[in-house]
Amino acid sequence: SQKIEQNSEALNIQEGKTATLTCNYTNYSPAYLQWYRQDPGRGPVFLLLIRENEKEKRKERLKVTFDTTLKQSLFHITASQPADSATYLCALDDSSNTGKLIFGQGTTLQVKP
Amino acid sequence: NAGVTQTPKFRVLKTGQSMTLLCAQDMNHEYMYWYRQDPGMGLRLIHYSVGEGTTAKGEVPDGYNVSRLKKQNFLLGLESAAPSQTSVYFCASSQLAGLQFFGPGTRLTVL
Repeated sequence: SQKIEQNSEALNIQEGKTATLTCNYTNYSPAYLQWYRQDPGRGPVFLLLIRENEKEKRKERLKVTFDTTLKQSLFHITASQPADSATYLCALDDSSNTGKLIFGQGTTLQVKP
Repeated sequence: NAGVTQTPKFRVLKTGQSMTLLCAQDMNHEYMYWYRQDPGMGLRLIHYSVGEGTTAKGEVPDGYNVSRLKKQNFLLGLESAAPSQTSVYFCASSQLAGLQFFGPGTRLTVL
């Protein structure tokens, strides 16, 4: 069956360090993968999209990698700040070309000052 | 631009009652989606629409109905609410297949 897995345990890091979040999937062949940020009591907010033919994408302090052989994406936040504390969701397209996304459960990041 | 708005923000229902959640977007997006989010389960797709007048089932459609009579609105109905439908409901929209814009959510409790 199709599965997307993110670390269910919260990730606690010190301010200034690099946070690395993992998204693994099985039985999918997504054309693209997306990362969203969700703050408590709010809807998810889009951060980055990476396509299957792209190995890496950057936006300011954010970096995403996409390894279709390992079926894994890594999401990095460099020079992390307490304001980066949130839940981060990865999402894959389901290859139906209808825009449908399959979401992971999310990983909660806590950045301590 | 307001983006994606949802009405109401909170609602408490008794088992068996019905209600309609309204989602509106002002970005002229073709695609709209309804999700529910439960602790430890992530976002699960209930129904979606790829254009005005069209709807389709997602992963967890049972107990819900939807309508998309106007391009900017997507309605989610619960005909006979059950405690298992207690959840946070999110609406989203996108321009064709791509990144999705989410509303602020509706927190529904069914007693």
